[in-house]
Amino acid sequence: AQSVSQHNHHVILSEAASLELGCNYSYGGTVNLFWYVQYPGQHLQLLLKYFSGDPLVKGIKGFEAEFIKSKFSFNLRKPSVQWSDTAEYFCAVTDDYKLSFGAGTTVTVRA
Amino acid sequence: GAGVSQSPSNKVTEKGKDVELRCDPISGHTALYWYRQSLGQGLEFLIYFQGNSAPDKSGLPSDRFSAERTGGSVSTLTIQRTQQEDSAVYLCASSFLDQPQHFGDGTRLSIL
Repeated sequence: AQSVSQHNHHVILSEAASLELGCNYSYGGTVNLFWYVQYPGQHLQLLLKYFSGDPLVKGIKGFEAEFIKSKFSFNLRKPSVQWSDTAEYFCAVTDDYKLSFGAGTTVTVRA
Repeated sequence: GAGVSQSPSNKVTEKGKDVELRCDPISGHTALYWYRQSLGQGLEFLIYFQGNSAPDKSGLPSDRFSAERTGGSVSTLTIQRTQQEDSAVYLCASSFLDQPQHFGDGTRLSIL
């Protein structure tokens, strides 16, 4: 069975700081990788995805993620966060249809 | 266009009662999924529908849980004889072919 590990439970940072959230997964075969975001009071939304091709993928709102196959990692980055990036972020992996999620990282951005 | 719609948004019920949770997927999405989000357990897969059939029910936690989908559209998740450990947010998602899943707002279920 797949497992997804997110290293940080809660991250607190100031506006304009850089953000990096770690994600590692256990499955060794071909996988599709996702980052979802859940803003306060809203549903889960897709931030970005990796299926194949360029391992550096760009998503919405200035987020990007890099797939490093040798490290089984898919870390999320944003060079300069805004207060509106305050949310919970979930890494997810699938090799077929069902998503396996990490525990989530709560990001709090202070103005 | 309309997203995934779930109802009710909140449900409070007494232990031992049955509950039905509804999901209306995005029109044209053939695949439908139920997940559960609870404290300490994170987001867990429950069941997957392709059309009206459920080829994977492996995530249903007990035989008190069942789900059906009719007309390739609306799905109902039923929990019988609810227990306090059933308290969670139940999320529905839908997708078209192998495209990413789109999630609804969820139903927050509280068992007293």
